[in-house]
Amino acid sequence: GNSVTQMEGPVTLSEEAFLTINCTYTATGYPSLFWYVQYPGEGLQLLLKATKADDKGSNKGFEATYRKETTSFHLEKGSVQVSDSAVYFCALILAGTALIFGKGTTLSVSS
Amino acid sequence: DAGVIQSPRHEVTEMGQEVTLRCKPISGHNSLFWYRQTMMRGLELLIYFNNNVPIDDSGMPEDRFSAKMPNASFSTLKIQPSEPRDSAVYFCASQSTGRFNSPLHFGNGTRLTVT
Repeated sequence: GNSVTQMEGPVTLSEEAFLTINCTYTATGYPSLFWYVQYPGEGLQLLLKATKADDKGSNKGFEATYRKETTSFHLEKGSVQVSDSAVYFCALILAGTALIFGKGTTLSVSS
Repeated sequence: DAGVIQSPRHEVTEMGQEVTLRCKPISGHNSLFWYRQTMMRGLELLIYFNNNVPIDDSGMPEDRFSAKMPNASFSTLKIQPSEPRDSAVYFCASQSTGRFNSPLHFGNGTRLTVT
C-alpha cells in the first residue's frame, strides 16, 4: 500500500541550529510529495511540494528534495527560528487517491 | 478568499448525543476531505467527496459516522450517538481539481470533546 514514515519527535533545537526531519515513503505509483506545517490551534498549511524526481521544493528557508532512488523527501532548514516551532507533516498523493500523511514531527525551537 | 470555514471551533457534548460538524470549502474547489486528528493515530482520512459525490468513505470508523455534501459549498459530518473515543480534532479540507496534486487547503478544525 501507500504510506509515509517520518521521524518521531519531538525535535528540540536552539535558535539558528540546522534542522533535518526525515521522511520516507512507499507508493504503488509515482507520487507527488508535500510538507505541511501545523501551528498551534490551526489547520495544516502547505509548506512546500515536489512533483517529480530530483525536484527541490522550497519555502521560507525550508527545502526538501524528491529522491526517487531512496524514496525520501527529507525536510531541511539551515537556521531555525523560534517561530518555526510547529508540527511538520510529510505527505504524498497519487492520482485517484487522497493525501496520505505521516504521523507528524513536533519541532520546538528555543531562544 | 475566506479559506475553508469550519464550525463550531469547539464542541463539548455528553456521550450519546448527536454531534454535527460543518464545513464550507473554498469557492470553486471541487474536492472536499474530512480528516480526524488524535495524538495516538495522527491524521486519518475519514471520507472525501469529488463534485459532491462521496468517493472513498473507507476511513469512516463505523455506522455512527455519516457525512453529506448537499451542494458545492457545504458539507456536514455527523456522529450519532457520540462516544468518548470520538474526542479528537476534526479537519475539513478542500482542493481544486485542476490537477490531482493541487495542494489541500485546511480549515482550523473543530475540537470535539465527548464526556
